[in-house]
Formats: sequence, structure tokens, C-alpha cells
Amino acid sequence: SYVLTQPPSVSVAPGQTATISCGGNNIVSYSVHWYQQKAGQAPILVISHDADRASGIPERFSGSNSGNTATDSENTATLTISRVEVGDEADYYCQVWDSHSDHRVFGGGTKLTVL
Amino acid sequence: EVQLLESGGTLVHPGGSLRLSCVGSGFSFSRHPMSWVRQAPGKGLEWVSGISGSGGDTYYADSVKGRFTISRDNSKNTLYLQLDALRVEDAAVYYCAKEVWAGTTFLSEDWGQGTLVTVSS
Repeated sequence: SYVLTQPPSVSVAPGQTATISCGGNNIVSYSVHWYQQKAGQAPILVISHDADRASGIPERFSGSNSGNTATDSENTATLTISRVEVGDEADYYCQVWDSHSDHRVFGGGTKLTVL
Repeated sequence: EVQLLESGGTLVHPGGSLRLSCVGSGFSFSRHPMSWVRQAPGKGLEWVSGISGSGGDTYYADSVKGRFTISRDNSKNTLYLQLDALRVEDAAVYYCAKEVWAGTTFLSEDWGQGTLVTVSS
């Protein structure tokens, strides 16, 4: 089954830029979605279709999925949060739909800590 | 406003059974595929099962296939998950999610607040 790999944690100071990666075999051929889950709350959709912000999500959140290696089949999608705020502290999950199995697949999640 | 309200979570012994429910409102329930996603304590999200809007197509993660059954009653705007042969590792918060088919992919557009299933002897 398809596997998505995320770093367990990312730390950034307020006002700086946070980058969270999501790796998967030939991930550039998938449509990647990102969810934010704050402590004790249900997840919410942040980014869909690689780069489309969900309703109500600030422009500081952006996504990309263009692949970044020429020689490795492991590509990455990226969630970027600019001008990070304390309120952005949360767990972030990437997700794809695997058409081969009809399964939805989540990455392991990345805990964003705002120092 | 879309609302998803799960219920049915409780403490159950290993090998036991449970049925979870999720009532949807604020949207055309029958037009949307739905999913169940779970989160074990301190762990990440794990997709469990999905169902088409009509209920005719169902999908399961390998970890629950043969033990869990997803279904829906569109006349009651309700999604169900029957959990049988429960294991300790099935303990989690179970979320229902309203999905959309967005041309080339499914995504979970709205989520409920979850219901807690505890499996312990």
C-alpha cells in the first residue's frame, strides 16, 4: 500500500517560515491534501489539490507538489506557513487518495512547535 | 452550517462489538461519500473505511477488513460503523468525515468531533 512520510516535528520562531514535507513514491502524480489538528480538536482541511487553500484559511498557508529530485523516485509535497503565529501550533497531516486501492492514505503527521 | 455528530463510543472488552453512528446536517447527505478515520491516543490519523453516497460501494483499511462494516441510512442522514471482534489496538477516537469527489481525488471536507472507543479487559 502507498506510504506517505512526514518529519515528526518542525520548530520555528514566530514570524519565520515553516516548511513541512510529505514524501511518497511518485507523489507528484497524486493530489495532496493537508489537514491541521490543534490539541484536543478535530482536524480541519487546510490545503486541497496540492495548493488550493480551504475556505477561511489565511494566505500565509500555501502548498506545492512539483517533485524536487531528478534521480530519486521519492518526491515530496510541501506545506509552507509564512509569518508563523503562535496560533499555528498544531499537528499537520498530508493525505492522498490511492486510486489503485480506493484507500485514503495519511502521512504520520508533523508537530509544528512555535518557539 | 455543516454538522457531523458522532455517538456510540464506549468501553468494550476485547472480542466485543460496538456500533458507531454519525448524524449529518446542513448538507445534502446522500450526495456525499463519507469516511471513518480514527486516532489512537497520542498517535496520528488512520483512515478506516469509506462509503459512496448511495451506499453501494464500501472500502476498508487492511487493518479492519472483515471485522468492521460501514453502512449508511440516507433517509436518516446517518452513517454507521459496526465494529466486531475488537482488539486492544482498535482503541481510538473515531471521526466521521464528509467527503467530496473533486474530479480526480477524494478529500475530507468536514469532520465531526469524534467518539472515543476504549478496548480493555
